[in-house]
Formats: sequence, C-alpha cells, structure tokens
Amino acid sequence: KAGVTQTPRYLIKTRGQQVTLSCSPISGHRSVSWYQQTPGQGLQFLFEYFSETQRNKGNFPGRFSGRQFSNSRSEMNVSTLELGDSALYLCASSLALASGNTIYFGEGSWLTVV
Amino acid sequence: AQTVTQSQPEMSVQEAETVTLSCTYDTSESDYYLFWYKQPPSRQMILVIRQEAYKQQNATENRFSVNFQKAAKSFSLKISDSQLGDAAMYFCAYRTQLQGAQKLVFGQGTRLTINP
Repeated sequence: KAGVTQTPRYLIKTRGQQVTLSCSPISGHRSVSWYQQTPGQGLQFLFEYFSETQRNKGNFPGRFSGRQFSNSRSEMNVSTLELGDSALYLCASSLALASGNTIYFGEGSWLTVV
Repeated sequence: AQTVTQSQPEMSVQEAETVTLSCTYDTSESDYYLFWYKQPPSRQMILVIRQEAYKQQNATENRFSVNFQKAAKSFSLKISDSQLGDAAMYFCAYRTQLQGAQKLVFGQGTRLTINP
C-alpha cells in the first residue's frame, strides 16, 4: 500500500512567483492536512481538508490556500512568494475524521525561494 | 490554545544505553491524544508511540515507552537499548479529542544522536 505521496519533492522559485504543491493521500484516506516546517518556527499547521471541505486553518496569511479534490488528493498554493516561505511542506493523511485515527505523513516538498 | 514544549534541543546517548526525552504541554482539555514522532534525515515523520489521555496506563511499543503524568502535563519518551537507527529528530505532539480535529500541535523537537 503506497504511503502519502508529495510532488514535487524539491523546487526553487523566485520571489513574487506562485507555487502549487500536490499531495496524494494513502488509498482510502479522506482527510488531508498540511504543515510548514522551518528552522525558526518549527512545525506549524496550515490547514486540513475532509471531503473537499476545509475544516480548519492555521494562522497563515491569505497567500496560502489549498483545496481537496473528490479523489481526496490535495493541493496547496502559495502566491506572491516571499523569502520566508522557504520551508519543508509536509502533507499528512488519515482515514476519516475520528480523532483516534493515526495520521501518516509524506516525505515533504522542499521549497526554496530566492 | 494548546502548546507543547520540548526543553532539550539536543540529546546524545551511547549505543545500547537508555535515554529519556522530555515533553510538557499546556491545555485546558481533559481528553486528548499525545504522540511522539521521529523525523530521520529523509524528513518523513514517523509515528513512534501514542497515548490517549483517558488511559492511565503508559503506552509501550517495543523499546519505546512513555511516562505520562496527566496532572503535571508531562509526557516523556524513554528509548531503551538505543540503536544507531534511532538517531533522528523527535517531536512531541498534541491532538485534541474533539471529533474531526486532525490538527497536531508540535514541540520544537529534540535531536537525538547515538554514539557507537
């Protein structure tokens, strides 16, 4: 059974550009969440989706957005990139909304903004 | 809001020895979940162990065990018989028990080095 798959794994963008990151959850998983990991701020929650609906959002500016498709795949978008957006972006999935479900993580997408 | 604190940025231990990583948290909730995740150089977060707050018994997974002190809001991880493959960043995380909440609140992490 394939794990959580994130693409691309590595990318470099220029300030002011936008970027889209993709996440395919484990087969059968309907809940997807995103995290940003930086050396200074650590791991911070971005947002979570279930059945194409955003259920929770972290404290990030509106430049950060996401969506989930009917097949549970998710994308996150960052517009007008800033140097501080350089980070590892981690996607996680779980089976459903039950709070006892285990959350599984992908290997992340490394974004460098120059 | 919930917070998680890991006061040890780095720890080291000799191979085959035992090490304990500390974690404290703050919450006003009575029911919740606590986790320890391991992040090796590949950067994939791997679940090590979980604890339900309503369970008094400390969770154990092979060489990994926790000391959960609910009143003190403390959740430490003990690794017995440390192996070279245990070297990684370890994160303590909190998750509410509210239905549907998938959000994890992480501590800052502890980098564990295993000395051969």
